[in-house]
Amino acid sequence: AQSVTQLDSQVPVFEEAPVELRCNYSSSVSVYLFWYVQYPNQGLQLLLKYLSGSTLVKGINGFEAEFNKSQTSFHLRKPSVHISDTAEYFCAVTNTNAGKSTFGDGTTLTVKP
Amino acid sequence: DTGVSQNPRHKITKRGQNVTFRCDPISEHNRLYWYRQTLGQGPEFLTYFQNEAQLEKSRLLSDRFSAERPKGSFSTLEIQRTEQGDSAMYLCASSLTTGGKAETQYFGPGTRLLVL
Repeated sequence: AQSVTQLDSQVPVFEEAPVELRCNYSSSVSVYLFWYVQYPNQGLQLLLKYLSGSTLVKGINGFEAEFNKSQTSFHLRKPSVHISDTAEYFCAVTNTNAGKSTFGDGTTLTVKP
Repeated sequence: DTGVSQNPRHKITKRGQNVTFRCDPISEHNRLYWYRQTLGQGPEFLTYFQNEAQLEKSRLLSDRFSAERPKGSFSTLEIQRTEQGDSAMYLCASSLTTGGKAETQYFGPGTRLLVL
């Protein structure tokens, strides 16, 4: 079994400020890790993923995340946010063999002018 | 590549009616997944197919729910005798999986169901 905990349900931040959205996971087997963004009434768009290799992964829209195996974390960061980054962000883990994903409950990022 | 498409985008129905949703995956993708997302929650896994074979079903998928992928291409999700608790966004995703290893899932825009 696996689980995902997104530690902050809401993160308000001012435009051009840095942001970190936190994600911890639990799994007894090897996993892949993902961050998705969801805009209102839309599906999920992949931001970035960790499958193997370098623990620092870069994604779209200037986001990056660092996989920390010892702390079982995969926090998402952006050095300077824009108003257009306002959305719901989901962290997900996938058993490397099973394919189905387990999602966290999401973090609402609100960027204020 | 047109991405994953889902139809309809919105559905309003009365309690007790049957509804059917369709998902068209990315054309070369062999795996297709269904998830359900309620307000304020992350998506929850319902079921998935590899080609036409349904490999796993969640306990969330009661006997009122059935999914098919008859030719290994598009899939349908049917809910019989809908209940108000079925109101949710139903998301479809697809992936290209080789050698039994999971790969990135690409999501469609979802079908939002409202049961009155």
